[in-house]
Amino acid sequence: EDKVVQSPLSLVVHEGDTVTLNCSYEVTNFRSLLWYKQEKKAPTFLFMLTSSGIEKKSGRLSSILDKKELSSILNITATQTGDSAIYLCAVGRGTGTASKLTFGTGTRLQVTL
Amino acid sequence: GAGVSQSPSNKVTEKGKDVELRCDPISGHTALYWYRQSLGQGLEFLIYFQGNSAPDKSGLPSDRFSAERTGGSVSTLTIQRTQQEDSAVYLCASSPWGDQPQHFGDGTRLSIL
Repeated sequence: EDKVVQSPLSLVVHEGDTVTLNCSYEVTNFRSLLWYKQEKKAPTFLFMLTSSGIEKKSGRLSSILDKKELSSILNITATQTGDSAIYLCAVGRGTGTASKLTFGTGTRLQVTL
Repeated sequence: GAGVSQSPSNKVTEKGKDVELRCDPISGHTALYWYRQSLGQGLEFLIYFQGNSAPDKSGLPSDRFSAERTGGSVSTLTIQRTQQEDSAVYLCASSPWGDQPQHFGDGTRLSIL
């Protein structure tokens, strides 16, 4: 059975701290790994990592895919209260014309002043 | 609009009734996906449509669930004879084509009394 596991389940940090969120997966027909940020409603796309793009960076956020270890990390440096959200890891899989995403249950991040 | 649009945003109905949920994808996106997010659970894939290919229905939990996509754009997810376990947030996503990042709508919160 396809599985995506995220850790920690929740995290409370002080503004300015650096955090690392973890995602490990066991899926058949791996195609990609995606990170999303979910605040109130729609998950917002952050990064997509594939065999041809294993490291991505945008501002204070960065992510690395380790295909050997079947895992990924999402780093957030100099955290701000606006980073408080649930961070979702999803793995795109399948042999069809599009990727079906299997999601982890998320890491809830709270950034305090 | 610029993003994925879903309606209604909230739906409350009695057990046994049929419901229809609507999704209007980002203009030009050929791939459309439905997911379900139940309380305390990760997002669960239901179905996807990609261009003129046959839809991948492998995630639909029972034959009470069906979906169609007319004219390659708007999609409707129909749940017949609703049960209490169908209560969840139903999220729609679209992407330019099958292996591109999926962008989500705000979802429809379905409550079955």
